[in-house]
Amino acid sequence: QVHLQESGPGLVKPSGTLSLTCAVSGDSITSSNWWTWVRQSPGKGPEWIGEIYHTGAANYNPSLQSRVTISVDKSRSEFSLKMTSVTAADTAVYYCARNIVVVVAASVSRVRTRLDPWGPGTRVAVSS
Amino acid sequence: DILMTQSPDSLAVSLGERATINCKSSQSLLYSSNNKNYLGWYQQKPGQPPKVLIYWASTRETGVPDRFSGSGSGTNFTLTINSLQAEDVAVYFCQQYFGTPLTFGQGTNVEIK
Repeated sequence: QVHLQESGPGLVKPSGTLSLTCAVSGDSITSSNWWTWVRQSPGKGPEWIGEIYHTGAANYNPSLQSRVTISVDKSRSEFSLKMTSVTAADTAVYYCARNIVVVVAASVSRVRTRLDPWGPGTRVAVSS
Repeated sequence: DILMTQSPDSLAVSLGERATINCKSSQSLLYSSNNKNYLGWYQQKPGQPPKVLIYWASTRETGVPDRFSGSGSGTNFTLTINSLQAEDVAVYFCQQYFGTPLTFGQGTNVEIK
């Protein structure tokens, strides 16, 4: 059974850096899947932050790209999120998730199809 | 970004009745090379992360009860919950994976009438 677990500080000061780590078990972090960060503010839909492949290739949400870095540590089976210059608007529950890759024969392509499983989430507040 | 809009925002349904949730995307999610719609549905219960129910617009995830079904193509999609059970009370989100950034709808809150 695949399990993901977020960890990191629950409180970050404005203008500071948010740092979270996601520990992966039950699946190899070097599998064909991508590893994703998503956040959710109260009462809103989830917001995709970005993703990383075990090679280090990463994609980011353009709205956050200038402030976000996602990295992977294969030896520890972990991937991490760093977000700089945080403000109150970054207060949210942060989730890590696996994005399952499926090979689609008809188009000879590998498609990231769904986020499963998700970690339980970690609440991060930005406040002085 | 592809904008995902769900309707209604909230829905109250009697136990055993059908719930229908709609999702509209700002551009087509149908990839012509493989004729697949890049659309998923998630269920989120209070205090829990979202859980995938449906992908490819209509493929049920392993272990998801068959009262959940997805339909639609292009820009218009529907999640149907047949014979609503008490454990189906949750917020439901649609999500596109046609392009990055991945985007979600605003959510539909399903309650018991």
